[in-house]
Amino acid sequence: GAGVSQSPSNKVTEKGKDVELRCDPISGHTALYWYRQSLGQGLEFLIYFQGNSAPDKSGLPSDRFSAERTGGSVSTLTIQRTQQEDSAVYLCASSRLAGGYGKNIQYFGAGTRLSVL
Amino acid sequence: SQQGEEDPQALSIQEGENATMNCSYKTSINNLQWYRQNSGRGLVHLILIRSNEREKHSGRLRVTLDTSKKSSSLLITASRAADTASYFCATVLIQGAQKLVFGQGTRLTINP
Repeated sequence: GAGVSQSPSNKVTEKGKDVELRCDPISGHTALYWYRQSLGQGLEFLIYFQGNSAPDKSGLPSDRFSAERTGGSVSTLTIQRTQQEDSAVYLCASSRLAGGYGKNIQYFGAGTRLSVL
Repeated sequence: SQQGEEDPQALSIQEGENATMNCSYKTSINNLQWYRQNSGRGLVHLILIRSNEREKHSGRLRVTLDTSKKSSSLLITASRAADTASYFCATVLIQGAQKLVFGQGTRLTINP
């Protein structure tokens, strides 16, 4: 596709359930990022992938959050035992270049709005 | 914690006027970027300025960077109703991966 695709666009779940959010990056982009945007915390970095490995997971808020990337392409962010404070918009971005010094323009998907009841 | 502080938090101006938004950050950076967000969803990259640059232009956008004051400004000239959006500055730190560290954003409203 032409841009970063995220699914679902909206997800409503009950507290305690697990959810999976999917991100399809732009073809050929080796770097993939997950961010979270909430009213109280603004835009926060969660995790960064270079290929299939995740050299920076420093933004994951707890061990209930995990992510994987397969084939250097699609990524899934999983939240286990969801809590109400997990309600937010989860944004995925990809970029062609990553690491070292230089340009890093990130292209964002439209996000998944997660509501935990 | 967030790297950047943005000022003002909200700005409302008349169409045709210029809009200026400011951003400050705390640590040394590799580059600083500005993004626009419509309707609380995906962000769109506007412009990137490297730490060794002082000013950059792109169409109606002008960005300045003052590394001694750790601050940047985004100027939108001859504003249009379609410029109504939230604008975020984001820094890429020298240390660490190329993740973006965002400010809190400025909500810009252009009144027709």
